[in-house]
Amino acid sequence: GESVGLHLPTLSVQEGDNSIINCAYSNSASDYFIWYKQESGKGPQFIIDIRSNMDKRQGQRVTVLLNKTVKHLSLQIAATQPGDSAVYFCAESPPGNTPLVFGKGTRLSVIA
Amino acid sequence: NAGVTQTPKFRVLKTGQSMTLLCAQDMNHEYMYWYRQDPGMGLRLIHYSVGEGTTAKGEVPDGYNVSRLKKQNFLLGLESAAPSQTSVYFCASSPPSMTQYFGPGTRLTVL
Repeated sequence: GESVGLHLPTLSVQEGDNSIINCAYSNSASDYFIWYKQESGKGPQFIIDIRSNMDKRQGQRVTVLLNKTVKHLSLQIAATQPGDSAVYFCAESPPGNTPLVFGKGTRLSVIA
Repeated sequence: NAGVTQTPKFRVLKTGQSMTLLCAQDMNHEYMYWYRQDPGMGLRLIHYSVGEGTTAKGEVPDGYNVSRLKKQNFLLGLESAAPSQTSVYFCASSPPSMTQYFGPGTRLTVL
């Protein structure tokens, strides 16, 4: 079946550096992509999304890049802070009324 | 707005017992979902609903049943709990083809 995967299961970053979390998706027909942040003991929280008619979208300290040619999604976090430590999930929305497909997640650990 | 709420937050069951988890949302979302998340793992979809009175199976539906009698509520039932159902259960809701909003989770332990 279709799946969403992540290249790196864990990522350690020095405080103040930029973080890049990657995600590969397999359904070329997916038209909507989302990044979630999940802190320990909490539910996933929406960070940023992007539709397939865009290549880049910026939020506050976060940027999502979409490369449809290679079916790759990335989340960039600028000036990473200790509060950014969490597990990050990407998700893709296949066409039709089918639920989101979530990746397995990457744990981001910020070193002070 | 409370968003998505889940009841209870914690529960311990013995093997063979039954229970119902309640999810409520006040955002008037059409779609609702139940996921389970095992330690260090991602989210696995159990069942979902695209509207009041409708339900559909997800990736791991066995051992669970759901009902969506009211648009704002989505119930997850375990008829005969097994230790393999020890997990954290998350409910979510969304408009069609949009981002999902998650509840805080229910931590279930089956002894």
